[in-house]
Amino acid sequence: DTAVSQTPKYLVTQMGNDKSIKCEQNLGHDTMYWYKQDSKKFLKIMFSYNNKELIINETVPNRFSPKSPDKAHLNLHINSLELGDSAVYFCASSDRAVGNTIYFGEGSWLTVV
Amino acid sequence: DAKTTQPNSMESNEEEPVHLPCNHSTISGTDYIHWYRQLPSQGPEYVIHGLTSNVNNRMASLAIAEDRKSSTLILHRATLRDAAVYYCILRPPQGGSEKLVFGKGTKLTVNP
Repeated sequence: DTAVSQTPKYLVTQMGNDKSIKCEQNLGHDTMYWYKQDSKKFLKIMFSYNNKELIINETVPNRFSPKSPDKAHLNLHINSLELGDSAVYFCASSDRAVGNTIYFGEGSWLTVV
Repeated sequence: DAKTTQPNSMESNEEEPVHLPCNHSTISGTDYIHWYRQLPSQGPEYVIHGLTSNVNNRMASLAIAEDRKSSTLILHRATLRDAAVYYCILRPPQGGSEKLVFGKGTKLTVNP
């Protein structure tokens, strides 16, 4: 069983479209994250949720809206996609009570054309 | 966020030991030193972490300088599967900031 799973793995879409990436973790963790890795391979945090509550929002455009329906899920919805949104998006999770190890998903490759 | 400095790239031969250095001269007294690696086309994965003492696990060893201003990740016998970008990251203790701040990391090439 994959600990942190994201769907879709690959997504090609046109500018202006709205798309969502879903993430689920089966580790029983209370904290989930979205990271973005751009073409230069820099990994940057976008959002973090703890027990469904937003705790980190790193100056991400309002077009990006995370939603956490429960502790095991953190979805990322992107409105009005732009060329610059093309990147790999990684979901991750951790357990605040246990320690600081963060587990990452395999990534979702988004290409905006 | 505390900063770390790593070489951009390193090269090793298969089955030889690899020592990946990291400088963190501005580390605070409570920061943990974490290492993650990212294999090609995969998400980052945890390797090891420590505070003051050297640490060993099945993947690697972590040697921490006495003044904690630098550390070295040691892969005892590199395999082709160890080719990845290795990130040295400072994190506050449990319950602190949830952020994992990635630098550029060291790209390790392992030659057969």
